[in-house]
Amino acid sequence: QSVLTQPPSASGTPGQRVIISCSGSNSNIGSNTVSWYQQLPGTAPKVLIYSNNQRPSGVPDRFSGSKSGTSASLAISGLQSEDEADYYCATWDDSLNVVIFGGGTKLTVL
Amino acid sequence: QLQLQESGPGLVKPSETLSLTCSVSGGSISRSNSYWGWIRQPPGKGLEWIGNMFYTGSTYYNPSLKSRVTISVDMSKNQFSLKLTSMTAADTAVYFCAKPVGVHDFDYWGQGILVTVSS
Repeated sequence: QSVLTQPPSASGTPGQRVIISCSGSNSNIGSNTVSWYQQLPGTAPKVLIYSNNQRPSGVPDRFSGSKSGTSASLAISGLQSEDEADYYCATWDDSLNVVIFGGGTKLTVL
Repeated sequence: QLQLQESGPGLVKPSETLSLTCSVSGGSISRSNSYWGWIRQPPGKGLEWIGNMFYTGSTYYNPSLKSRVTISVDMSKNQFSLKLTSMTAADTAVYFCAKPVGVHDFDYWGQGILVTVSS
């Protein structure tokens, strides 16, 4: 069980907006930046968001990140079938001295 | 464009030591302020950070693995390596090498290598 809590699953229909949450504590999200990853089946994770809300070049602006207190969120707008993947949040934990990943959220596009 | 590629055995016997290498192309492993890391993913499960190495050679390991892990660099070959001792079935996973922008925001990844621990 991860220190960062994500819902195990999420779903939406094409065109919808979906939000995936990541809940932590003062020692991790509360005091460090958050990154978000997309992992398609059989492939390496790809960073979507770093430093809470920054998108690397090439990542569509349909993906956005935010952080408030000890929680972070990834929003995906204009949902597309190719967004069907596993999504992970990550940050540093000051108490455990470790990079921690959320347990992952499997997004299904209905 | 930076590219990372893992190499090593796909099968390791219990109690043996795993040795993996990450070859970096398209950039120097010794560039300033760069971390290089290893992450693993057991089949069907989530991601677990193994450790990072700063370009100076300083290392930072997951406390849960610290007693068994060594990350090192070979600048002459533009490679960094992972050694994990006393392997058990619980260490069966896809092992990724990656480079973070900072510490945990990995923007470049290798394709991953599946390592199975079995006799």
